[in-house]
Amino acid sequence: ETGVTQSPTHLIKTRGQQVTLRCSSQSGHNTVSWYQQALGQGPQFIFQYYREEENGRGNFPPRFSGLQFPNYSSELNVNALELDDSALYLCASSFKRESTDTQYFGPGTRLTVL
Amino acid sequence: GQQVMQIPQYQHVQEGEDFTTYCNSSTTLSNIQWYKQRPGGHPVFLIQLVKSGEVKKQKRLTFQFGEAKKNSSLHITATQTTDVGTYFCTSGTYKYIFGTGTRLKVLA
Repeated sequence: ETGVTQSPTHLIKTRGQQVTLRCSSQSGHNTVSWYQQALGQGPQFIFQYYREEENGRGNFPPRFSGLQFPNYSSELNVNALELDDSALYLCASSFKRESTDTQYFGPGTRLTVL
Repeated sequence: GQQVMQIPQYQHVQEGEDFTTYCNSSTTLSNIQWYKQRPGGHPVFLIQLVKSGEVKKQKRLTFQFGEAKKNSSLHITATQTTDVGTYFCTSGTYKYIFGTGTRLKVLA
């Protein structure tokens, strides 16, 4: 196991609602990245947080936002949920160093939007 | 756009046969990382390659980084049913863009 935990494991929401997903990094890691993985697809990079600042963002709208806390845990917030937001949301923690930023994934949160 | 392409998308092999998946980029990569995701699971880090021409082995798995650092391969010798899953490559060069991966099925 990687030591990266996520909560909740499963979540059901309705269209238009808001959701907050949580991630606890592996001990010693200072960077958290969030990914969305639709069924049968590869993980899609949402954004990365390094030392509490956003450090890169993928092609996701502003209703996807995040936070990183001083203890390096992180939240992913999604507003105005849409049916297409149904997916597995993965967080990955790492210790940022030049060219060797290995990521360790948590078990994910399965979000279903009805 | 910048991306990493993987082939094949699917591979069915008989247990005991070898398997290879390839990862190709149009631009030079700073590094390449390989992950394995079991059905219903999450991606698990396998290895990172950084140097041109680098070859690393993990038991039956052999990973190679091309001389030009534009491609990489993962070769599994004598597949077992425990090798079932999807194998992804990714690179920090592309802000961790993952491809669709190669889904491996091993027939007993």
